[in-house]
Amino acid sequence: NAGVTQNPKFQVLKTGQSMTLQCAQDMNHNSMYWYRQDPGMGLRLIYYSASEGTTDKGEVPNGYNVSRLNKREFSLRLESAAPSQTSVYFCATRRVMNTEAFFGQGTRLTVV
Amino acid sequence: AQSVTQPDIHITVSEGASLELRCNYSYGATPYLFWYVQSPGQGLQLLLKYFSGDTLVQGIKGFEAEFKRSQSSFNLRKPSVHWSDAAEYFCAVMNSGGSNYKLTFGKGTLLTVNP
Repeated sequence: NAGVTQNPKFQVLKTGQSMTLQCAQDMNHNSMYWYRQDPGMGLRLIYYSASEGTTDKGEVPNGYNVSRLNKREFSLRLESAAPSQTSVYFCATRRVMNTEAFFGQGTRLTVV
Repeated sequence: AQSVTQPDIHITVSEGASLELRCNYSYGATPYLFWYVQSPGQGLQLLLKYFSGDTLVQGIKGFEAEFKRSQSSFNLRKPSVHWSDAAEYFCAVMNSGGSNYKLTFGKGTLLTVNP
C-alpha cells in the first residue's frame, strides 16, 4: 500500500521545455489535488479534481494543465516551463468531503 | 473566499517549554479545520482535524487544538515540546458544504526548538 506516489522526485528543466508530473494513488480516493510550495507562501492550489472526469482551477493555474486519467492518476503538465515555476509540487488525495487530505512526498522542480 | 492566517512566521522555544501556534480562518459557515506538519524535505503529515462536535481535538505526538468560533481561531498547542517537534506547521481550512472541494493552507509557522 504505497498511498500517494509522485514521480519524478527531482527534475531540472530548461526554460521552454515541457514535462509532466505524475501522481498515482492506491487509496481509492475520489478527489485529487496539485499544490505548489514556495518559501514563505505556504501551499497554493494549482488544480484539483473533485472526482474522476472533472477538473477545476485553483488559485494559481496559469502555465499548467492537468489530466485526471482515471480514478488513480492525476497528472500536471508544464507546456513551456519558466523559472517562476521552480518550486516543490505536491499531489494530495481525499476520499470524500469530511475527510482529511493525504500528501505525496513531493517533486522538486528547478527551471533554469 | 476562504482564507487562513498564521500570524507567526517563525517561533523559537526551548525543549520542555509549552507551545501555542496561532491560526485564524475566514469562512462564512462552519469550516473543516486541519493542522499539518512538515519535516525538511518531506511531505505533509496530518496532526489533527476538526469537523464537528467537541471543540477541543486531540492529535498525534501529544498535540491538541481548540476551535473557537467566536474568534475564528484554531490554535495548536503542546504542553511540553521535544526537539523532534522542530518542523514547519500548516493550518488549513476546507469548505464544509456545497461543491467547493478546495483545501486552503496558511503560509506556515516554522518551529525551532532549542536544547
